[in-house]
Amino acid sequence: GAGVSQSPSNKVTEKGKDVELRCDPISGHTALYWYRQSLGQGLEFLIYFQGNSAPDKSGLPSDRFSAERTGGSVSTLTIQRTQQEDSAVYLCASSRLDNEQFFGPGTRLTVL
Amino acid sequence: QQQVKQSPQSLIVQKGGISIINCAYENTAFDYFPWYQQFPGKGPALLIAIRPDVSEKKEGRFTISFNKSAKQFSLHIMDSQPGDSATYFCAASMYGGNNRKLIWGLGTSLAVNP
Repeated sequence: GAGVSQSPSNKVTEKGKDVELRCDPISGHTALYWYRQSLGQGLEFLIYFQGNSAPDKSGLPSDRFSAERTGGSVSTLTIQRTQQEDSAVYLCASSRLDNEQFFGPGTRLTVL
Repeated sequence: QQQVKQSPQSLIVQKGGISIINCAYENTAFDYFPWYQQFPGKGPALLIAIRPDVSEKKEGRFTISFNKSAKQFSLHIMDSQPGDSATYFCAASMYGGNNRKLIWGLGTSLAVNP
């Protein structure tokens, strides 16, 4: 079946603009994770969804970052007033409960 | 503070050789230790994972060795092939209320020379 998809694959924006990143998880996966991958920094956990609720938002770096999930499926990560340090690859993963996380290809965000 | 420390940062191995990547963790509450493989432009993909009740797990050419007392685990790739050239990440997590967020090492870039 289809894997996790993310859009856009690349996003270039100007400092101060808002961006929205989209994740379509694998059908039937109730858990959804957002991670950020910066060069030389590994992957950084941002937020976890179980269904439509987000019981763990501990990784969001600032209040400029927010995420929502609707219908227990699609999730959107929004970054307001983007800064250059937000430049990274944003990865989404989904899983069944307590099982393997399947990753999408990521969205490469560049803030000029 | 890096909770999962991975080494080496990069590794070059000849075809047919053994690739070894090491990770150390600090939190004894971690109970799941996966290794992910990532090719350029792709998301990470699970390669092999282990839980702390076993000391070794083998899947094909890939083996995880786990040392609970030393809080270390390693990935061994036997008979390394050029197609194994990728970035490898170790990770660790603990299970809490259905949440299994992964704490990642910084990655090892593996190059297998033909």
